[in-house]
Amino acid sequence: EADIYQTPRYLVIGTGKKITLECSQTMGHDKMYWYQQDPGMELHLIHYSYGVNSTEKGDLSSESTVSRIRTEHFPLTLESARPSHTSQYLCASSDGGRETQYFGPGTRLLVL
Amino acid sequence: GQNIDQPTEMTATEGAIVQINCTYQTSGFNGLFWYQQHAGEAPTFLSYNVLDGLEEKGRFSSFLSRSKGYSYLLLKELQMKDSASYLCAVSPISGAGSYQLTFGKGTKLSVIP
Repeated sequence: EADIYQTPRYLVIGTGKKITLECSQTMGHDKMYWYQQDPGMELHLIHYSYGVNSTEKGDLSSESTVSRIRTEHFPLTLESARPSHTSQYLCASSDGGRETQYFGPGTRLLVL
Repeated sequence: GQNIDQPTEMTATEGAIVQINCTYQTSGFNGLFWYQQHAGEAPTFLSYNVLDGLEEKGRFSSFLSRSKGYSYLLLKELQMKDSASYLCAVSPISGAGSYQLTFGKGTKLSVIP
């Protein structure tokens, strides 16, 4: 079982607010990922990182930004939240070798 | 690029066996993952296939044919708690971007009494 944590689990916020979704893992994984998933829909990769000071955009365009200053921490920031950002955000990290991705519990975001 | 196809929904009876198929078309292929995702929860890892053949793990087995671009997940002795979405994900060949998985849209399995 993987040790990957996300906070907050649920967030309701007004339009225009700045928010940061936290993701931490204690497994020492170099690679970390952020996915966006709407209810009943597929996962979309929005950001990933191969290590400290490495960040890349994923397949789905996103107005969010990420940083990777420490191996264990990969926060995602929305500078100005909008209702279109309402979704579930899932963080994952992967091990060496076959690169199995392990997911955190997710953050459900509702922007009013 | 990657293209993954799996059925949208399936229904099966408690105690039965169900097979969930996944076909993929990819410019480079390393391995294939299956994940289980209960409604409102995060995906959890089930299996990984890199070589052709069947991998068995308890009630769950996964099969891969690289030449056919085909995999299936077999669930035996179905239980109500197996009601979930099952995601097929392809890992591309080693190289730039090799750690990104491409996920299918998932198959929603409903287990009925």
